[in-house]
Amino acid sequence: GNSVTQMEGPVTLSEEAFLTINCTYTATGYPSLFWYVQYPGEGLQLLLKATKADDKGSNKGFEATYRKETTSFHLEKGSVQVSDSAVYFCALSDQGFQKLVFGTGTRLLVSP
Amino acid sequence: EAGVVQSPRYKIIEKKQPVAFWCNPISGHNTLYWYRQNLGQGPELLIRYENEEAVDDSQLPKDRFSAERLKGVDSTLKIQPAELGDSAVYLCASSPRDSYGYTFGSGTRLTVV
Repeated sequence: GNSVTQMEGPVTLSEEAFLTINCTYTATGYPSLFWYVQYPGEGLQLLLKATKADDKGSNKGFEATYRKETTSFHLEKGSVQVSDSAVYFCALSDQGFQKLVFGTGTRLLVSP
Repeated sequence: EAGVVQSPRYKIIEKKQPVAFWCNPISGHNTLYWYRQNLGQGPELLIRYENEEAVDDSQLPKDRFSAERLKGVDSTLKIQPAELGDSAVYLCASSPRDSYGYTFGSGTRLTVV
């Protein structure tokens, strides 16, 4: 079945550092890929998405590129802020958008 | 536009008691999902509705969990009786049919003591 593997956290960075959170997936067909963010006490929010190979999703300075050859969708940001502290989830959906399969999440802690 | 509304936000019950969660999706969204998020894990699908029909309930523990979506709008998820292992956040989401436009509610955090 479909699955998503994320790097374990927490990831601890200083403000303005470069961020990478690794995500790899296993899926049949051509899934769509997503990054969600969950701030403390809040629900899941879509951060970015990519629906086909080589697509780059971007939002709020975050980027991720759909790499079919390596089955990866790594999240990057050039300069993190304290306000980026949250839990980040990588997810995929099948072509019919019938359900999302999530990774276990990676907690990011950014200190001033 | 109002988002997906869930209630209650928090619920603490004793084991073996019943509990119910309510979800009001975004107007016009045909598809409604219930996910369960255990502590330190990603959400997992429990059930998916297309209008009032449950089209995927393969992950719903049917011995104690039930769900309904009357008139294809609001939905209720029930647990009876609750067990300690049911402590989790229960998330509702909705989307337009056959497209990606997921919106999640804030969830209900259930604690079973």
